[in-house]
Amino acid sequence: NAGVTQTPKFRVLKTGQSMTLLCAQDMNHEYMYWYRQDPGMGLRLIHYSVGEGTTAKGEVPDGYNVSRLKKQNFLLGLESAAPSQTSVYFCASTLGGGRLDQPQHFGDGTRLSIL
Amino acid sequence: RKEVEQDPGPFNVPEGATVAFNCTYSNSASQSFFWYRQDCRKEPKLLMSVYSSGNEDGRFTAQLNRASQYISLLIRDSKLSDSATYLCVVNQGTYKYIFGTGTRLKVLA
Repeated sequence: NAGVTQTPKFRVLKTGQSMTLLCAQDMNHEYMYWYRQDPGMGLRLIHYSVGEGTTAKGEVPDGYNVSRLKKQNFLLGLESAAPSQTSVYFCASTLGGGRLDQPQHFGDGTRLSIL
Repeated sequence: RKEVEQDPGPFNVPEGATVAFNCTYSNSASQSFFWYRQDCRKEPKLLMSVYSSGNEDGRFTAQLNRASQYISLLIRDSKLSDSATYLCVVNQGTYKYIFGTGTRLKVLA
């Protein structure tokens, strides 16, 4: 039982390049989230999904797109990377079902640098 | 005003000491509360949920004060391995988790 797995762990991009971050969970969770964490700031929600085939914008969605074609996978795409997107990205999941007392389970992060 | 506020620290304490962190939240409609631990360059890991009546897990005690809108975390008999950043997380809806910026703890030998 791996929990939440993110790939890749590290990546360096040049401005304007594109890439996709993959998050996979094996806990049959309904809800999945993408966050970014920057120094001096709390985790900020980029996009989230409440089920297969659904996605929604979070607090800081600009410059990112997401897809949830399979329940276990949540992909985060950067179409044209910018230096402001240099950050640590975390994926998380929760069981869902409308309950409000569920903690989130996190992947171990992707460190992304945009030059 | 931030929705969730924490003292950034660092709190430097000797081994064996008791240390307490507070976290205040601004939205009175907040539903559930958690403490996470984050080690340097690692992911946040759930330390404990915080229940209305307060709850304890070994050396850790969490309390919630809805009237004053804060939660607290007490660590007794601090260990070197407790050195980390402690994140306060407030849930305001099915998908809306608001994170504090964290409080750094350093336990000194």
